[in-house]
Amino acid sequence: DVKVTQSSRYLVKRTGEKVFLECVQDMDHENMFWYRQDPGLGLRLIYFSYDVKMKEKGDIPEGYSVSREKKERFSLILESASTNQTSMYLCASSLGTRNTEAFFGQGTRLTVV
Amino acid sequence: AQTVTQSQPEMSVQEAETVTLSCTYDTSESDYYLFWYKQPPSRQMILVIRQEAYKQQNATENRFSVNFQKAAKSFSLKISDSQLGDAAMYFCAYRRDNAGNMLTFGGGTRLMVKP
Repeated sequence: DVKVTQSSRYLVKRTGEKVFLECVQDMDHENMFWYRQDPGLGLRLIYFSYDVKMKEKGDIPEGYSVSREKKERFSLILESASTNQTSMYLCASSLGTRNTEAFFGQGTRLTVV
Repeated sequence: AQTVTQSQPEMSVQEAETVTLSCTYDTSESDYYLFWYKQPPSRQMILVIRQEAYKQQNATENRFSVNFQKAAKSFSLKISDSQLGDAAMYFCAYRRDNAGNMLTFGGGTRLMVKP
């Protein structure tokens, strides 16, 4: 089974802190994604990566950056956390070929106080 | 840009009954894929069913089936013989036919199942 693991299920951080959300997948997938989930808005794409050291902005990249130094790991970075970044963050991965399923982690619920 | 709309924030169904969740989308593409994902309280997103736009036949997976109306850009999910374990958030999602595999999600529908 594909496993996508997010390092924390719950996280509480202070405004202005630098925050790292880590995601690891064990199936050698080329693509990795970070989504943000908010009530009524569904999931919105923050960033995605289709290869090591490659990244592209999604729909809501402002206030975030990402890092992919190894194929299996994709990190989401909040350079200076703000209260409006309080949300659920979901990581996903998929093969690089067409018509393949995306597999999701269990999410990190981040609260910025 | 593609948009996906789920007009029902909440739905409820009696156990063993049938329920239909609605989804509409907007796109100018002719080739794409549509998905329904389930997110139970555990938060693990689970793929329920997928539909390729070029296929006219509606996809089915056991108790789950879709009504895909390409001209109307409608993609509803029917759950038959509802079970308590079906209670979850359901998300409709769209993906263009390219190698990026990026999904565009609707706002979600919370399904409650009454015993």
